[in-house]
Amino acid sequence: SQTIHQWPATLVQPVGSPLSLECTVEGTSNPNLYWYRQAAGRGLQLLFYSVGIGQISSEVPQNLSASRPQDRQFILSSKKLLLSDSGFYLCAYKRGLTDTQYFGPGTRLTVL
Amino acid sequence: DAKTTQPNSMESNEEEPVHLPCNHSTISGTDYIHWYRQLPSQGPEYVIHGLTSNVNNRMASLAIAEDRKSSTLILHRATLRDAAVYYCILTQPMNRDDKIIFGKGTRLHILP
Repeated sequence: SQTIHQWPATLVQPVGSPLSLECTVEGTSNPNLYWYRQAAGRGLQLLFYSVGIGQISSEVPQNLSASRPQDRQFILSSKKLLLSDSGFYLCAYKRGLTDTQYFGPGTRLTVL
Repeated sequence: DAKTTQPNSMESNEEEPVHLPCNHSTISGTDYIHWYRQLPSQGPEYVIHGLTSNVNNRMASLAIAEDRKSSTLILHRATLRDAAVYYCILTQPMNRDDKIIFGKGTRLHILP
């Protein structure tokens, strides 16, 4: 069976500090990977998606970046956090030939 | 991208059926209709999907209009645990670059 992990589960960071959120998937190979953000009381916003190692597509211009150094690893980063970066960050994967996305448990980020 | 329209919120009594509508008048022939739900402080959870025919699974049923321009998610007997935001989404799973764009969804309230 497949599983998806995200860490940390919660994070409190000061404005201007760097960020690194990690997502890993087990039990499947060559998945599509996605990063979403959900601000408080808002819907889910697609930030990045990747169809393969080193391949990143950005949906929204911002101070965040994503990388996929390994097939089942997806990293969300920032050099300097803004207050507006606070939110619930969700990683998701989709298996190659199926039509469902599976979401991780999320990371709740608070920028102070 | 094809988009969907859902009511902002709905209310239902516990142990009664719930019909959640979704309009997707610009759906293309290759779009699948997906439903996800998000419980508080959790990532979205897959509920059901379909292409043309009605679908049933252990969680819900999906009724798709003959012209595919609308669909209805049916919860046969709502429980308090079904209180969540329900998202109706169009996807193209055979497209390697397929990405899910979440709208605002319908917030379902279940009254005891």
